[in-house]
Amino acid sequence: EIVMTQSPATLSVSPGGRATLSCRASQSVNDNLAWYQHKPGQAPRLLIYGASTRATGVPARFSGSGSGTEFTLAISSLQSEDFAVYYCQQYDKWPMYTFGLGTKLEIK
Amino acid sequence: QVQLVQSGAEVKKPGASVKVSCKASGYTFSDFYIHWVRLAPGQGLEWMAWINPNSGGTFFAEKFRGRVTMTRDTSINTAYMEMTGLTSDDTAVYFCVRDRRPNMVGDAFDLWGRGTMVIVSS
Repeated sequence: EIVMTQSPATLSVSPGGRATLSCRASQSVNDNLAWYQHKPGQAPRLLIYGASTRATGVPARFSGSGSGTEFTLAISSLQSEDFAVYYCQQYDKWPMYTFGLGTKLEIK
Repeated sequence: QVQLVQSGAEVKKPGASVKVSCKASGYTFSDFYIHWVRLAPGQGLEWMAWINPNSGGTFFAEKFRGRVTMTRDTSINTAYMEMTGLTSDDTAVYFCVRDRRPNMVGDAFDLWGRGTMVIVSS
């Protein structure tokens, strides 16, 4: 099973600032990597797929990069609605999909 | 509106079973695989299984094989996930999600339900 490791577990950033979230795979997943945003009581939302392609309706301040085993989600000009938990997911080795444990992005 | 609407929260005793429904609207139900993912307290997201709404074919993560059943009713655009032999470790929010590309499995999940809380407690 591919293990997805996200860091940091919690990230404190001021509104208007920039957040950089990391995700590492225990083996290569090529670019078959997605990022999701989850707010309490809401449905998680797909942000990025294919490691760097923004999903429909996702603002340009969200950007994904990386390939193989190292991936990054960057969020610039943080808005109040961006504070949430973010998960990465590999779908390269389907049907065994695996997620990271998440990074909680909180207001500093 | 394209959405997945799930059934309400459940409280079950250990050893009991639970059946969660997921009703799709706003798109052709049979065109997209449905997956189930759960989020337990203090844990990360865990993929459980998928169902092909067109054929009814299913695939399960090994830890759920034999304990989870997935079915669908195409006449009402609804998928179901039933889990038996519940333990406290099954306390979690259960999400139904849709595969991003039609008639294929093995991509990101572009549509999520809001989740169904299942609490297992004596």
